[in-house]
Amino acid sequence: QKEVEQNSGPLSVPEGAIASLNCTYSDRGSQSFFWYRQYSGKSPELIMSIYSNGDKEDGRFTAQLNKASQYVSLLIRDSQPSDSATYLCAVNFDGGYQKVTFGTGTKLQVIP
Amino acid sequence: NAGVMQNPRHLVRRRGQEARLRCSPMKGHSHVYWYRQLPEEGLKFMVYLQKENIIDESGMPKERFSAEFPKEGPSILRIQQVVRGDSAAYFCASSPPSGDIYEQYFGPGTRLTVT
Repeated sequence: QKEVEQNSGPLSVPEGAIASLNCTYSDRGSQSFFWYRQYSGKSPELIMSIYSNGDKEDGRFTAQLNKASQYVSLLIRDSQPSDSATYLCAVNFDGGYQKVTFGTGTKLQVIP
Repeated sequence: NAGVMQNPRHLVRRRGQEARLRCSPMKGHSHVYWYRQLPEEGLKFMVYLQKENIIDESGMPKERFSAEFPKEGPSILRIQQVVRGDSAAYFCASSPPSGDIYEQYFGPGTRLTVT
């Protein structure tokens, strides 16, 4: 069974701090990794994709991938109350086959 | 607006009725996925379709649920003889046709309430 694991939280951070969200996955051969943000009552929104080991930065967001350790993380710098949401990690386990598997999400609360 | 479209946004059905949920993928996308989400729970994969083909329906309940993506028109998720446990948010996502891009983009969802 190929799985994506996330701590459900909630993760509480003060405004302006760095929020660190982590995700582990079960298949060492996975190639594609995604982070989605979902506000309460809304649909998931893609915020980051990462395909290679290392860091990928986009504004206040940095995705970090370590395939050897089978984890992917999302850092949010200068956290804002508007970042309060559930963050979903998704992994494509079968390259060439487009289905992805979602984790259950980590709820982030940014405290003003 | 070339985003994923879903309708209706809210649907109320009585027990035993049929529910039909529609999804139009983003322009240029040919892969469609349906997910179900119960309140305070994660996304549950239901089915993955390409035009005129069901690729993976491993998440679909064996009875009452069906999905299609015809050559023309939107993808349809059909729930027959709905029960209260079918009340959930149903999300559709789409992705590009080929290559190494597996990014899925979600529609706004259909909130189904069964009374």
